[in-house]
Amino acid sequence: NAGVTQTPKFQVLKTGQSMTLQCAQDMNHNSMYWYRQDPGMGLRLIYYSASEGTTDKGEVPNGYNVSRLNKREFSLRLESAAPSQTSVYFCASSESGNSNQPQHFGDGTRLSIL
Amino acid sequence: AQKVTQAQTEISVVEKEDVTLDCVYETRDTTYYLFWYKQPPSGELVFLIRRNSFDEQNEISGRYSWNFQKSTSSFNFTITASQVVDSAVYFCALSDNDKIIFGKGTRLHILP
Repeated sequence: NAGVTQTPKFQVLKTGQSMTLQCAQDMNHNSMYWYRQDPGMGLRLIYYSASEGTTDKGEVPNGYNVSRLNKREFSLRLESAAPSQTSVYFCASSESGNSNQPQHFGDGTRLSIL
Repeated sequence: AQKVTQAQTEISVVEKEDVTLDCVYETRDTTYYLFWYKQPPSGELVFLIRRNSFDEQNEISGRYSWNFQKSTSSFNFTITASQVVDSAVYFCALSDNDKIIFGKGTRLHILP
């Protein structure tokens, strides 16, 4: 039972480099989400995709782009990484876009920008 | 605006003590859902419970219990007879249209 799989688990980038974080779920969920977690800030939503073919901005979208490649996959791209983007990134999925459904999370990607 | 407040940033208790984690929310919706998640030191996020706004019955699952009070907009979480394995960060969350918003979390230390 893989659930939500994120790759890579760890990454170090230099300022200005680009990178794509990958996320895939095998639960046939319709909705997918990207969060960042910073000390004392809880989980903040970056982008989400309520259904295949749609994406929407969350609370902190600046500096990021997303692609809902298909129902299973939702990637997060940093075009020009900045030190302020050093964080732990979590991908999540839920059965539907209704917010009554619990979200299932991947194990996270720890990203450091030097 | 939708908001979740977990006023307790960090709590430490000795093993076997009971502990309550507070969660207060603000919402303009008449129908909404509340959640609790656990993040152990290993880092993954684990779903614990979902409660809808029409069901104010308290929920008990083993040593865990949840008290939902609409009158005070609170959804508190109690661990009875705490154990070291309960050490984690606990997040309360609230539904908001097609997404969920999270509180900033309470870090719980259970001391042996």
